[in-house]
Amino acid sequence: KNQVEQSPQSLIILEGKNCTLQCNYTVSPFSNLRWYKQDTGRGPVSLTIMTFSENTKSNGRYTATLDADTKQSSLHITASQLSDSASYICVVSDRGSTLGRLYFGRGTQLTVWP
Amino acid sequence: EADIYQTPRYLVIGTGKKITLECSQTMGHDKMYWYQQDPGMELHLIHYSYGVNSTEKGDLSSESTVSRIRTEHFPLTLESARPSHTSQYLCASSDPGQGKLAGARKETQYFGPGTRLLVL
Repeated sequence: KNQVEQSPQSLIILEGKNCTLQCNYTVSPFSNLRWYKQDTGRGPVSLTIMTFSENTKSNGRYTATLDADTKQSSLHITASQLSDSASYICVVSDRGSTLGRLYFGRGTQLTVWP
Repeated sequence: EADIYQTPRYLVIGTGKKITLECSQTMGHDKMYWYQQDPGMELHLIHYSYGVNSTEKGDLSSESTVSRIRTEHFPLTLESARPSHTSQYLCASSDPGQGKLAGARKETQYFGPGTRLLVL
């Protein structure tokens, strides 16, 4: 069964600290993996997208890594800011159809305290 | 900021009412999607469209219907709202993406702000 599991479910850190969010998936055949940021009451916004040939992708203070062999990805946030408080969603796409079926994780709820 | 809009943002309505959730995008995207998301849960695809006059049901069974008469417009309709329809509804559209490596496509979805629906 194709699944996307994220951990931790929630995380609280202090402003300025770093953190790493995890994503494990069983989706096959794999096409690409995306990380989205979803602010409360808003739609998700894409942070990074990686295919199987890419090991790392950065977007400002966000760095995503991908290990296609172990089917794991991580999102590292450096020098966190209050505005980083949001839900971070891992989304994996398969290669089975033109649509590129998307499998969503439940997200990690990150709270950054001052 | 993506140019995709949803109205209303919030809706409280009584059981049995007919409602239409609006979604519009000005990016000229052919593909559009409707997702349902409950708090703390993953997004579930309920409808999608590849272009004008093309609509398909998604993975999650839904009593809603959609139409795609114009490229930029993808409304979702509930003929008779029920409390079980209470949820957040997210509309998205996607560009074809850049790069096509061995079948992998970097298609990016742009999401609207969502409509929070409460059916009493």
